[in-house]
Amino acid sequence: QKEVEQDPGPLSVPEGAIVSLNCTYSNSAFQYFMWYRQYSRKGPELLMYTYSSGNKEDGRFTAQVDKSSKYISLFIRDSQPSDSATYLCAMSQDTGRRALTFGSGTRLQVQP
Amino acid sequence: SQTIHQWPATLVQPVGSPLSLECTVEGTSNPNLYWYRQAAGRGLQLLFYSVGIGQISSEVPQNLSASRPQDRQFILSSKKLLLSDSGFYLCAWSGRARGPYNEQFFGPGTRLTVL
Repeated sequence: QKEVEQDPGPLSVPEGAIVSLNCTYSNSAFQYFMWYRQYSRKGPELLMYTYSSGNKEDGRFTAQVDKSSKYISLFIRDSQPSDSATYLCAMSQDTGRRALTFGSGTRLQVQP
Repeated sequence: SQTIHQWPATLVQPVGSPLSLECTVEGTSNPNLYWYRQAAGRGLQLLFYSVGIGQISSEVPQNLSASRPQDRQFILSSKKLLLSDSGFYLCAWSGRARGPYNEQFFGPGTRLTVL
């Protein structure tokens, strides 16, 4: 079983829709949770990070963490064609080396 | 501002040939440096990380090696490439954080195809 599971998609939605992206994980030691956006043939860029459980909002993006269920989500409101990309969840634990464990990514396509 | 460079951007190599990928960071000092590999349709796999010059930790046993000859230079190498080495190689850096978490910034990547 992978440490982090993520539906690969593709997920296709019309412009303006609310998008929900999710990851589940098995390692209860994870404390920091991140979402990266990766455009085709580019390096990932950090969208949001959260610590422990709870919600965090930044513009059209909301990240949720439910540590009791080992489940994290990223919501995108009023989705735009420019949001079309692969979204990777990532997690880290307090081990000192600060490396991240990534999900495989969900490909999102927002249709104009 | 900080920037991270990787080259080459794309590379096609025959099986058994050597490999050298380079990553450099500008605008910061004493960063943590990371090499990841991303296979098609899969997440990023950490290969190596470094907290200082000459300090390399390997995460996955394989025919790849890494070196950090200068503070802001990180090199990924192989003496003989395998078909399974094909993928998208990403270098990342992070600063020295007071707490357990610090953001990792990724380079543009090198797409390696081994034939």
